[in-house]
Amino acid sequence: GQNIDQPTEMTATEGAIVQINCTYQTSGFNGLFWYQQHAGEAPTFLSYNVLDGLEEKGRFSSFLSRSKGYSYLLLKELQMKDSASYLCAVIGADSWGKFQFGAGTQVVVTP
Amino acid sequence: DAGVTQSPTHLIKTRGQQVTLRCSPKSGHDTVSWYQQALGQGPQFIFQYYEEEERQRGNFPDRFSGHQFPNYSSELNVNALLLGDSALYLCASSLGHGAYNEQFFGPGTRLTVL
Repeated sequence: GQNIDQPTEMTATEGAIVQINCTYQTSGFNGLFWYQQHAGEAPTFLSYNVLDGLEEKGRFSSFLSRSKGYSYLLLKELQMKDSASYLCAVIGADSWGKFQFGAGTQVVVTP
Repeated sequence: DAGVTQSPTHLIKTRGQQVTLRCSPKSGHDTVSWYQQALGQGPQFIFQYYEEEERQRGNFPDRFSGHQFPNYSSELNVNALLLGDSALYLCASSLGHGAYNEQFFGPGTRLTVL
């Protein structure tokens, strides 16, 4: 089976940096995705990692270490609109197109 | 360019009833996946349809079934509804069903079972 763990909630101040960790145990690995989900809305794609290292996309960066089963999403220069749930999703081997999601991390940005 | 659309937006049913949810994929996409998201949880994979066939299935009972039409739209059917089926049902579409294909999510159908 697959197990994906991420913290339940994190709070940070506007303009600050927050790092959301995700650890996973899967039968093989075919990629890790990060999605953002505002309350009552659909998840929207943020990033995709399949090789080790850092992927940077504007204020958002995502890191992957396959040997450690670990990823993080880094949110810089936090804005109030970044208050949302952040979902880590993994695709294991032989699971093409089958996303296994973590429970999500609720980020609360305060003024 | 129309994104993923789902209908209805909200639905209330009673235990034992049956429900059908509908999804139209993003233009140009041919693969549809369905997820169940309970309050405060991440989405749980139900199944995926490609070329009108179920290609992958998660840990859901046979009460959950689906269909994909030639125009790539899809339906999710749930029979003998239980209280625990109350959730947000998300549809996601992609081009092809490979691991590297980003999935675009629809706004979801909020199902309440009383």
